[in-house]
Amino acid sequence: DTGVSQNPRHKITKRGQNVTFRCDPISEHNRLYWYRQTLGQGPEFLTYFQNEAQLEKSRLLSDRFSAERPKGSFSTLEIQRTEQGDSAMYLCASSPPRVGADTGELFFGEGSRLTVL
Amino acid sequence: AQSVTQPDIHITVSEGASLELRCNYSYGATPYLFWYVQSPGQGLQLLLKYFSGDTLVQGIKGFEAEFKRSQSSFNLRKPSVHWSDAAEYFCAVGRADKLIFGTGTRLQVFP
Repeated sequence: DTGVSQNPRHKITKRGQNVTFRCDPISEHNRLYWYRQTLGQGPEFLTYFQNEAQLEKSRLLSDRFSAERPKGSFSTLEIQRTEQGDSAMYLCASSPPRVGADTGELFFGEGSRLTVL
Repeated sequence: AQSVTQPDIHITVSEGASLELRCNYSYGATPYLFWYVQSPGQGLQLLLKYFSGDTLVQGIKGFEAEFKRSQSSFNLRKPSVHWSDAAEYFCAVGRADKLIFGTGTRLQVFP
């Protein structure tokens, strides 16, 4: 059983550079989520896809952030002109299609840690 | 406003001792409640969840949690802690599309 896969696991970049993270969800899951976790905090919701459609975006997701899921499979999260405040763990999660009551259970990847110098 | 409060930032227990991690929530509708565990270098793993029905729910690794609507609480318990339980524990509330997490409780276990 392959879980949620995220790459790269660690990224160190200089302020102003662009970075891109990739998430491969569990194969039969049609829903995909991005969360951000900073030190000492719980994960915070960023955005959510159902298949290829981006259905919701948090106000945390500034114009420098863009997420895509072009074919309804893997997703990318790009951060342009990175700032030191973007340093965080970026978590991807997926969940299966709803059948009956929505259980809301998310399956998380190990995360991609970004450090902006 | 919807929120989750985990009042204990850090808890230390001896191996074999009992454990209770506190979680209080604020949510307008009937909540779905979750406990996740995060070990170093690993992703968040679901321990247990509550949607409806029996207010005492059993999870993996010997954990259980009790939903108390009158107290807006969903505390996590384990009767006997193992050294491998050392990790960060997150309570979360919400429905599928947007979970709201607490700030977590770091559990340290002494031999």
